[in-house]
Amino acid sequence: GQNIDQPTEMTATEGAIVQINCTYQTSGFNGLFWYQQHAGEAPTFLSYNVLDGLEEKGRFSSFLSRSKGYSYLLLKELQMKDSASYLCAVLDSNYQLIWGAGTKLIIKP
Amino acid sequence: EAGVVQSPRYKIIEKKQPVAFWCNPISGHNTLYWYRQNLGQGPELLIRYENEEAVDDSQLPKDRFSAERLKGVDSTLKIQPAELGDSAVYLCASSSGGEVREQYFGPGTRLTVT
Repeated sequence: GQNIDQPTEMTATEGAIVQINCTYQTSGFNGLFWYQQHAGEAPTFLSYNVLDGLEEKGRFSSFLSRSKGYSYLLLKELQMKDSASYLCAVLDSNYQLIWGAGTKLIIKP
Repeated sequence: EAGVVQSPRYKIIEKKQPVAFWCNPISGHNTLYWYRQNLGQGPELLIRYENEEAVDDSQLPKDRFSAERLKGVDSTLKIQPAELGDSAVYLCASSSGGEVREQYFGPGTRLTVT
């Protein structure tokens, strides 16, 4: 079966750095997405990785290792507004997006 | 550029009643998705359209759920009759295809079945 694992909840301090991990087992691979979802709102796109390595976009970076079935999202200089759920999703061989359950990130002052 | 539009935003109905949700995707986006999301979980794909063709509806409970996208633009998702377990947020998303296939989501419809 297809499976995406990510921690249920993480807590970090304002101004710090946090890394949210995601491991996956899917039927094929056509890319990995990270989405941010604030409570009561729709998911919004953060990043896309299809090749191994690090993609940096401002305070957010995403890393992919296809051989390990592993990705992480790195958030720097955390702000209170970063409190949200972060969803990892993999595009499988049928171009269907397989979603993780999300990691709820709590930022404390 | 206008985003994905969904209506209604909230709906409360009694079990066994019918309900319908409407979605208008981003202009030019050929691919449209309907998802269901329960609290603390990721979105669950119900159906995916490429233009007016349903290319993946394997997760759609066909005994009570139906969907249509007649002209390949806006879409309607219907539940008849609704059950208590259908309470969830129903999300519509669209994408333009291509290499990245990034999906853009609408605000969702929060359905409560009592």
